[in-house]
Amino acid sequence: AQSVTQLGSHVSVSEGALVLLRCNYSSSVPPYLFWYVQYPNQGLQLLLKYTTGATLVKGINGFEAEFKKSETSFHLTKPSAHMSDAAEYFCAVSSGGSYIPTFGRGTSLIVHP
Amino acid sequence: DVKVTQSSRYLVKRTGEKVFLECVQDMDHENMFWYRQDPGLGLRLIYFSYDVKMKEKGDIPEGYSVSREKKERFSLILESASTNQTSMYLCASSSPGAVNTEAFFGQGTRLTVV
Repeated sequence: AQSVTQLGSHVSVSEGALVLLRCNYSSSVPPYLFWYVQYPNQGLQLLLKYTTGATLVKGINGFEAEFKKSETSFHLTKPSAHMSDAAEYFCAVSSGGSYIPTFGRGTSLIVHP
Repeated sequence: DVKVTQSSRYLVKRTGEKVFLECVQDMDHENMFWYRQDPGLGLRLIYFSYDVKMKEKGDIPEGYSVSREKKERFSLILESASTNQTSMYLCASSSPGAVNTEAFFGQGTRLTVV
């Protein structure tokens, strides 16, 4: 079985501040991990993914995430928030050969001027 | 560009109607999924299909059925729509077993049942 927990349904930051969105996963086998972004009334768009290899993964729009097996975490960061980063962010895990992604409940990122 | 296209962005249906949500992908993906998205609940899997005519129930299949007659098309059917099925519905596709295993999503269909 696999699951994802996203800590904080809403995160509020000022423009230019560090963005940190937390994700912890549970999986009985080595996981594939993903972060997606959803803008209002849109589908989900892939930000970045971890499959194998380097544990620090860089994505689009200046985001990155680090896979920490010992902490079962895959937190998303961005050094400096921009107004255009305001959106819903979803962490997802897939594993076990079927590659069916399980999603967290999402974190809404609010960026203040 | 990979494209997953959902036939409608917005739908309004009456209680008891039979509703069809259509999804087409152009990447020759084996896997296709239907998710339901509700505030505070994230994405919940309704059904998925890993091949033509094959389907598996997800976490919340009650009140829904699916059809996959062709590889590129995956339909979600609400047999008798109810108000508690008012939601955003997201279709996705992926290719299993490859390094690039992420799901590609359509734009979503916002269904309102009145």
